[in-house]
Amino acid sequence: AQSVSQHNHHVILSEAASLELGCNYSYGGTVNLFWYVQYPGQHLQLLLKYFSGDPLVKGIKGFEAEFIKSKFSFNLRKPSVQWSDTAEYFCAVNPVNRDDKIIFGKGTRLHILP
Amino acid sequence: DADVTQTPRNRITKTGKRIMLECSQTKGHDRMYWYRQDPGLGLRLIYYSFDVKDINKGEISDGYSVSRQAQAKFSLSLESAIPNQTALYFCATRPKQGNPYNEQFFGPGTRLTVL
Repeated sequence: AQSVSQHNHHVILSEAASLELGCNYSYGGTVNLFWYVQYPGQHLQLLLKYFSGDPLVKGIKGFEAEFIKSKFSFNLRKPSVQWSDTAEYFCAVNPVNRDDKIIFGKGTRLHILP
Repeated sequence: DADVTQTPRNRITKTGKRIMLECSQTKGHDRMYWYRQDPGLGLRLIYYSFDVKDINKGEISDGYSVSRQAQAKFSLSLESAIPNQTALYFCATRPKQGNPYNEQFFGPGTRLTVL
């Protein structure tokens, strides 16, 4: 069965540190990939998405993600985090030929120390 | 973003009670979803609907039912609530396949507590 794995469940960083959150998926076909963010007490919002083309995708608030097809990975990065980045981050995968299937990872809770 | 609204936002109920959570959207999307979020488990799909006459079970549909009253409305019911249904419930919408903006748009969530 398809799955999405987020390796880090809880990450604590200081402001200005660099961030990389891992996301791996298990599906052999073509996929659309998403990162969502959930700020405390709020709903999920899209950070960025990948459909095709340039595997390096830039999103809002300085985030980017790189799709590495050979590694089935879509890691999220930010060069310098801010306290306001404290949130939970979810990776999601949608197989292109399975429009009904959007599989979420279990989330990574990011805590930025001021 | 008020495009996807959920009512109520918070609800406390007792075991055995029937509960309905409502979701409305003004985005004109065909697809609507209900998820529950539990700490450490991420989002799990309960039901989804691709249009008014197309409703499908997700991975954890037991104990839940849904109704798609109109394109804009998708309700989730707990026929007889139990404590392990205590969770945060999210409604989401998505445009039809082929639309370039095919990400999901989430409502603000309903926090349900079953005593």
